[in-house]
Amino acid sequence: DVKVTQSSRYLVKRTGEKVFLECVQDMDHENMFWYRQDPGLGLRLIYFSYDVKMKEKGDIPEGYSVSREKKERFSLILESASTNQTSMYLCASSRGQGSQPQHFGDGTRLSIL
Amino acid sequence: SQKIEQNSEALNIQEGKTATLTCNYTNYSPAYLQWYRQDPGRGPVFLLLIRENEKEKRKERLKVTFDTTLKQSLFHITASQPADSATYLCALESTRGNNRLAFGKGNQVVVIP
Repeated sequence: DVKVTQSSRYLVKRTGEKVFLECVQDMDHENMFWYRQDPGLGLRLIYFSYDVKMKEKGDIPEGYSVSREKKERFSLILESASTNQTSMYLCASSRGQGSQPQHFGDGTRLSIL
Repeated sequence: SQKIEQNSEALNIQEGKTATLTCNYTNYSPAYLQWYRQDPGRGPVFLLLIRENEKEKRKERLKVTFDTTLKQSLFHITASQPADSATYLCALESTRGNNRLAFGKGNQVVVIP
């Protein structure tokens, strides 16, 4: 079974801090994704990557950046955390092109105080 | 604008009955549509995929239909069980060919014993 592991289940940070969320997948998937999920807004794509060192903006990239130095690892960076970035963050991975299912981690619930 | 609509009201259903969920979309032309299940505090889990040239897909007690004329997918859980209680998300290919998904906000199902 595919395993997508997110480094923390819960995280509390302060406004202005630089925050790193890490995600690792063990199935050699080409694509990796970062979403945030908020009540009433659903899952929204922040960034995705279809190869090492490649990245593309999703629907809500403002205030975030990403890094993919190795195929199995995809990091989400909050450059200067703000309270409106308090959310559930979900990482996912999938095989290359076409109609592939996405495999999700269990999320990081991030609170910015 | 693009929209994916799922019923925001929870569906309460008696055990043993069939639960039917609807996913309507506007201004997308997806080659496929997927359904996911999400339990509280967990990431979504892939259930089924249906392509634009398929009318119906089944997996155990689950059935999905896809009508590209109506721009609608129906998701059925037959002989529902309390363990089926969860939120179900539809997701469709947001742009042809890049495996990027757009998700609906989800529809909660509560199966009453």
